[in-house]
Formats: sequence, C-alpha cells, structure tokens
Amino acid sequence: NAGVTQTPKFRILKIGQSMTLQCTQDMNHNYMYWYRQDPGMGLKLIYYSVGAGITDKGEVPNGYNVSRSTTEDFPLRLELAAPSQTSVYFCASSGQTSGGGDTQYFGPGTRLTVL
Amino acid sequence: QQQVKQSPQSLIVQKGGISIINCAYENTAFDYFPWYQQFPGKGPALLIAIRPDVSEKKEGRFTISFNKSAKQFSLHIMDSQPGDSATYFCAALSGNTPLVFGKGTRLSVIA
Repeated sequence: NAGVTQTPKFRILKIGQSMTLQCTQDMNHNYMYWYRQDPGMGLKLIYYSVGAGITDKGEVPNGYNVSRSTTEDFPLRLELAAPSQTSVYFCASSGQTSGGGDTQYFGPGTRLTVL
Repeated sequence: QQQVKQSPQSLIVQKGGISIINCAYENTAFDYFPWYQQFPGKGPALLIAIRPDVSEKKEGRFTISFNKSAKQFSLHIMDSQPGDSATYFCAALSGNTPLVFGKGTRLSVIA
C-alpha cells in the first residue's frame, strides 16, 4: 500500500491564480481530511469528508473548496490564491471516525507559496 | 470552545534525559487523546494514544500520563535520543468530530 499520496510536493502560485491539490489514499478509508500547517501554529483543519459525496467545513475553510466523488480521492481546490494561503498542506485519512481510535494517516504534504 | 493547549513550544534535552510535553483541555467530552510525531519534511504519524479510562500508557520509551480531574495529559520520553528530535503534537477528540490538535512542541535532543 502506498498509503496517502499527495501531488504536487511543491508549488509556487501568483496571487489570483487557482490550483488543485491532489490527495489519494489506497486504504479504503471512509474519512479524509485536509489540514494546513503554518510555522508555530500547528495543524488547522480546512475540510473533511466522512465518505464519498459528503464533505464538511473545518476550522479554516474560507478560500478553499473540496469534492469527494470517490472513496480514494479528496482534492482541495484553491480559487484566487492569496499570500495568506502560503502554507504546507497535509491530507490525511482514517478508517472510521477518529473517535473510534482509528489512526489518522497523513500524506507527505504539499508546500505552497503564493507570491 | 474545543481547544487543546500544548506546552512548551520548544524543548532542548540532553541525550539520555527525560523529555516532557504537556497538554491541557477544557472539553470534558473528549474521549481519545493521541500524540503525533512529525519529522522535518514529513507528515505527522501516530506515536501513542490513550483513553480517559486509564491514567497511564507506556510503549517502549514513550509514556502518556493522563489526569482526568485536572484535564491534563502529558508525553514523557525516557532516555531521549537524537533520533527523537521532531515536532510533537497532542490531540483530542470527542465522538464523531475531527481531531483537535495542539500547536506542537519542537524537541531537540542534543548529545
């Protein structure tokens, strides 16, 4: 199993551009998450999904959109990129609700810079 | 407000020493408390986790101590090694809600 894979690893965007961060998991997990990590600020939840066709907002959803058309894929869309979106983005998945004690498995991250 | 407060922000420990990272929470509905370890350039990975029905859980050199009445839990790393140098995140969860993470502690173990 590859686990959780993310592409691209690095990306530089100009202000106002848009892009999609890709996330795929091969563990047949129902739950998927997108986080952003800013220096010294920990992990902040952007969006999450409890299954195909179901998504919900996290703590910092503004400026982002997601979709979940399949169990495996959970892309994150940035529209009109802003410097405040410069961050490292992590995708994660878990088999059930994390409350059941299931481990969240994280991808390697995408480092995004908006200039 | 669901929040987990983690301290210290950074920690330097001599090789062989004990590293201690503390977390506090307010939401008494939290019922699962994991710790994640993150090496530079990598995603976080689960290190150890505890439920509030026990006061301590040990896995090798890593121990979680849990104080339900004080709403605090801590990670102890015994015989700390340079390879333990990483950022550590505590987290908490209630029911079906997503994990709430602390802000992280950057640990440096020096020889």
